Amino acid sequence: RKEVEQDPGPFNVPEGATVAFNCTYSNSASQSFFWYRQDCRKEPKLLMSVYSSGNEDGRFTAQLNRASQYISLLIRDSKLSDSATYLCVVRGNTGFQKLVFGTGTRLLVSP
Amino acid sequence: NAGVTQTPKFRVLKTGQSMTLLCAQDMNHEYMYWYRQDPGMGLRLIHYSVGEGTTAKGEVPDGYNVSRLKKQNFLLGLESAAPSQTSVYFCASIQGGVETQYFGPGTRLLVL
Repeated sequence: RKEVEQDPGPFNVPEGATVAFNCTYSNSASQSFFWYRQDCRKEPKLLMSVYSSGNEDGRFTAQLNRASQYISLLIRDSKLSDSATYLCVVRGNTGFQKLVFGTGTRLLVSP
Repeated sequence: NAGVTQTPKFRVLKTGQSMTLLCAQDMNHEYMYWYRQDPGMGLRLIHYSVGEGTTAKGEVPDGYNVSRLKKQNFLLGLESAAPSQTSVYFCASIQGGVETQYFGPGTRLLVL
């Protein structure tokens, strides 16, 4: 079983739609959680951290459920520029800040 | 600030050839990492370094060596390239106690 699992998609949505991605992780000792965005043939970039209380950044909302070991990302009012692959990332409790990456969920927003 | 840079951007090797990938960061970060990204596999950690002069193995270290002689540079070496090492290689760095890892633009390597 992979440490971090995501639905690879692709998710095809029209502009203005709301879309949600989910992710599960297997290591219950994981300490930090993130969503990264990766554009085609580019490096991953941090989109947002995920906190137990849930957090929002503009059109993006992230949630963490530690009991179920489940992370989600909600994108409201999708834009064409949101088309990318979204990586669920988990940091464990090692001393060297190791990140474990999911394989990513691809989002395609169409006009 | 250039952030994290990688050279070269693209390289084609023949099986058995050697090469070194260079990662440089100008943010004075302590931790540096080398990942490889393959379709359907996500990013996997090859080697990492928690400071100048220190290196350690990640998940997939076989066939690679690394060195961190200067804090700002982290080198990844392939002594005898194999087709299985065809991949996109990303370098990243982070300052201890801070959450954000900064990635370089990647090196695309094709081994024939």
